[in-house]
Amino acid sequence: AQSVTQPDIHITVSEGASLELRCNYSYGATPYLFWYVQSPGQGLQLLLKYFSGDTLVQGIKGFEAEFKRSQSSFNLRKPSVHWSDAAEYFCAVDGGYQKVTFGTGTKLQVIP
Amino acid sequence: GAVVSQHPSWVICKSGTSVKIECRSLDFQATTMFWYRQFPKQSLMLMATSNEGSKATYEQGVEKDKFLINHASLTLSTLTVTSAHPEDSSFYICSASGSEETYEQYFGPGTRLTVT
Repeated sequence: AQSVTQPDIHITVSEGASLELRCNYSYGATPYLFWYVQSPGQGLQLLLKYFSGDTLVQGIKGFEAEFKRSQSSFNLRKPSVHWSDAAEYFCAVDGGYQKVTFGTGTKLQVIP
Repeated sequence: GAVVSQHPSWVICKSGTSVKIECRSLDFQATTMFWYRQFPKQSLMLMATSNEGSKATYEQGVEKDKFLINHASLTLSTLTVTSAHPEDSSFYICSASGSEETYEQYFGPGTRLTVT
C-alpha cells in the first residue's frame, strides 16, 4: 500500500526566508505526486504535480518541488516566503485509479 | 475554471438525525467525485469514490449504510450522514475529477459537521 510521510508537523520561518517542506513516499513504482495547500476553513488548492519527465517541477505562487527517486522524496521549496503563504501543506501520492493518499500535513507559520 | 462548491459550509445537527451535503462541479462535468473526511489536525482520509450513475465504492472501514453517496448527475454528488452521532463530527471535503488522463482532482471548500 502507498503511504506518505511528512516529518515536520509545524514549521516557522521568517518572511523572506527560504522554505523547504519534506515529503517521503512509499510506493512500488513511480507514483503521481502532488502538493496541496489548505488555508483555514478552506478546501485544498493544487500547488504542483509530478507525473513524469523533468524531476524539478514548477508550481503556482513561486513554489517548486523536486522528485528524487533514490530518496523516495518530493520536497517542496520556495526561495522567499511571504506572509500569505502561512497555511497547511499536504503532500499526496496517487498510485493509480485516482486513489490519493495524503500525508499528515505541515503547518507553516510565517513571522515578520 | 474547475470550481467545486459544497453546501452547506457548516451544519449543526442533533444526534440521530440525518444531514445531506452537496458537492457540485460548477464549470465542468465530473465523471468521478470523491469524498474525504478530515479530523482536526489530521490528514484527509478517502471515504468513497463515486462515478456518475453507478454505486459508490467505499474504502475499507467506511460504513456504506451510514454514509450514503449519490452521484446522480455529472455535476452533483451528495453525501448523506444517516443517524448522525457526535463521533461523525468532522470536516467533509469533496473533490471532482473530469478526466483520468489529467489525474487532477479539484477540491471543494469543505463542510464542517457538528453533531450535538
